Amino acid sequence: AQSVTQLDSHVSVSEGTPVLLRCNYSSSYSPSLFWYVQHPNKGLQLLLKYTSAATLVKGINGFEAEFKKSETSFHLTKPSAHMSDAAEYFCVVGLGQGNLIFGKGTKLSVKP
Amino acid sequence: EPEVTQTPSHQVTQMGQEVILRCVPISNHLYFYWYRQILGQKVEFLVSFYNNEISEKSEIFDDQFSVERPDGSNFTLKIRSTKLEDSAMYFCASTSQGERTEAFFGQGTRLTVV
Repeated sequence: AQSVTQLDSHVSVSEGTPVLLRCNYSSSYSPSLFWYVQHPNKGLQLLLKYTSAATLVKGINGFEAEFKKSETSFHLTKPSAHMSDAAEYFCVVGLGQGNLIFGKGTKLSVKP
Repeated sequence: EPEVTQTPSHQVTQMGQEVILRCVPISNHLYFYWYRQILGQKVEFLVSFYNNEISEKSEIFDDQFSVERPDGSNFTLKIRSTKLEDSAMYFCASTSQGERTEAFFGQGTRLTVV
């Protein structure tokens, strides 16, 4: 069965410091993996996606994620947090027919 | 930039009433979806729709729910007789292809059943 686990429900960082949002997945075949961001009162916006090409995926706003099959992980990172990065982040496993399995989300807070 | 739009942004309805949530997917997309997020919980898949029929649905999508693409642009979710537990944020999404492509989401409709 496919599943996704976001290991932290809340991460707090200071502006200018690195961000690490952790995600582990379970899939019986090579998955599609996505990170989405949700700002308050906004829809879900795609940050980046992995679809079996390069294992290091670069996304928008300086975010990137590395697919590690041996660790079944797809952690999201950013070298330097910005205040505007404060939002909820969802790690998502893609199945066929558009059935996406969402993680519970990680709320990122950025302190000045 | 093309986007998925949903109306209304917030709907309040009485228990037992029918509601229709509306979505306009991105115009050249072929696959359409509904998801919901109960407050404080995960985003959950409800249904996918392709070629004018449901292609997959979850256990949540019971007989109280239906979807329709009444014309070339709208995609609707109908809840026949709302229950308190239907209160949630409902997201519409669309993709150009079904497999391995990202879904584009609307801003959501917050449904409150009282």
